[in-house]
Amino acid sequence: TQLLEQSPQFLSIQEGENLTVYCNSSSVFSSLQWYRQEPGEGPVLLVTVVTGGEVKKLKRLTFQFGDARKDSSLHITAAQPGDTGLYLCAGAGPETSGSRLTFGEGTQLTVNP
Amino acid sequence: KAGVTQTPRYLIKTRGQQVTLSCSPISGHRSVSWYQQTPGQGLQFLFEYFSETQRNKGNFPGRFSGRQFSNSRSEMNVSTLELGDSALYLCASSLGLAGGLRTQYFGPGTRLLVL
Repeated sequence: TQLLEQSPQFLSIQEGENLTVYCNSSSVFSSLQWYRQEPGEGPVLLVTVVTGGEVKKLKRLTFQFGDARKDSSLHITAAQPGDTGLYLCAGAGPETSGSRLTFGEGTQLTVNP
Repeated sequence: KAGVTQTPRYLIKTRGQQVTLSCSPISGHRSVSWYQQTPGQGLQFLFEYFSETQRNKGNFPGRFSGRQFSNSRSEMNVSTLELGDSALYLCASSLGLAGGLRTQYFGPGTRLLVL
C-alpha cells in the first residue's frame, strides 16, 4: 500500500507570513498532484509535477517534486486569507493505474487577516 | 460548461439501510471516479468507471458498488449501512481514463450521515 503523509496537519498563520507544507512517502510516484479544497466543495487541482526535482510556480505558490519522486512540498509566500483551505497531495503510480490516486490526509491552512 | 454535479448534497440514513448517490460528469467526460472522504482516513479511492465498465477498484467491501450509464452518469450504492460509512462521497470526472497526468474535476460531494 502506498501511503502519503502530509505535515503539518493544521496550520494557522497571520496574513503575510510564509509557509511550507510537506508530502512524504516511502514509495515512488510517477506523478504527484496538489489540490485545494474549500468547505462545501470538492478538491480543485492546483498543479501536477512529473519529473524528479521539478519546480513549478503558480503566483505565490511554489511546488517541488523530490529528486527521488517520493516527496513534494508546497511553499506559499506572503499568505493571504484567500489561501485558507484544505491542501491535499495525491500521488499516482507507478504501481497504481487508472484513477487510483493515493491522497494524503491534508493540511488545513487558516490565514488570519 | 457545467461542472460535475452530485445529488443529493446531504443525506441522513439509519444503520442497515441502503443508499444510492448520483453523479453527472462534465459533458463529454467518459470517466467517473468515486472517493470517500473522512476526517480520519482522508480521501480514499472507491472505484472508477469508463464506458460503462468498472476499470479500477479500491479496497472497500462489497457493500459498496457502482455503475455507469451510457450517458456517462454514474451511481454508487451502499447497502447495509454502518455508522462508519458516514462521510463525504466525492465524484470526479475526466475526459479519459484518469491517471496521474489527467485532470480530474471533482463535484461538491454528497455528505452522508448514518445514525
